[in-house]
Amino acid sequence: EIVLTQSPGTLSLSPGERATLSCRASQSVTSTYLAWYQQKPGQAPRLLIYGASSRAAGIPDRFSGSGSGTDFTLTISRLEPEDFAVYSCQQYGSSPLTFGGGTKVEIK
Amino acid sequence: EVQLVESGGGLVQPGGSLRLSCAASGFTFSSYSMNWLRQAPGKGLEWVSYISGSSSAIYYADSVKGRFTISRDNARNSVYLQMSSLRAEDTAIYYCARDAAMEFSGVVAAYWYFDLWGRGTLVTVSS
Repeated sequence: EIVLTQSPGTLSLSPGERATLSCRASQSVTSTYLAWYQQKPGQAPRLLIYGASSRAAGIPDRFSGSGSGTDFTLTISRLEPEDFAVYSCQQYGSSPLTFGGGTKVEIK
Repeated sequence: EVQLVESGGGLVQPGGSLRLSCAASGFTFSSYSMNWLRQAPGKGLEWVSYISGSSSAIYYADSVKGRFTISRDNARNSVYLQMSSLRAEDTAIYYCARDAAMEFSGVVAAYWYFDLWGRGTLVTVSS
């Protein structure tokens, strides 16, 4: 089973700042089959990125994904007030599917 | 509106049973595989079960195999999760989620990432 470790656990930033979130896999993720999701309390999780770097439909271009192998990054270029949330990565290249523990982006 | 709405969660004793439902609207339900995932308090998401559009393919996580049963009713645009022999470690918010791949002519297709989620329903297993 591929274990995904996200860091940092919490990121304290101000609106307008750049956020860089890391997702590290215990083994190489097949074919960059990595996705990122945004979660807010009481709301449905939202797909942001799939295939490591492809934005899902309707996702603003301030969200970008990069990486391959075992190291992946989600970057939010300029934080908007609605971007403060928990972000989780998921690998879907190997069975079983696995998720990271999440990074909380909070207002500083 | 394209959405998924879960229901059926609640408090249940260890060893008990519960049936979760997920109602879909706004898209051609039968053309998509559906999944159940869960998130225990303070933990990351965990995939639980998958069912293809025609119900011809079904998979379970090892942690629930033999205890949970997934099913769907395309006439009612709904997917279900029958949970039995529940344990404290099954306590979680349960989400239904749509696979991002659209199936054509009944051919099973799955990308294994999820482009539409519900808000979830809380299941608490406690005496």
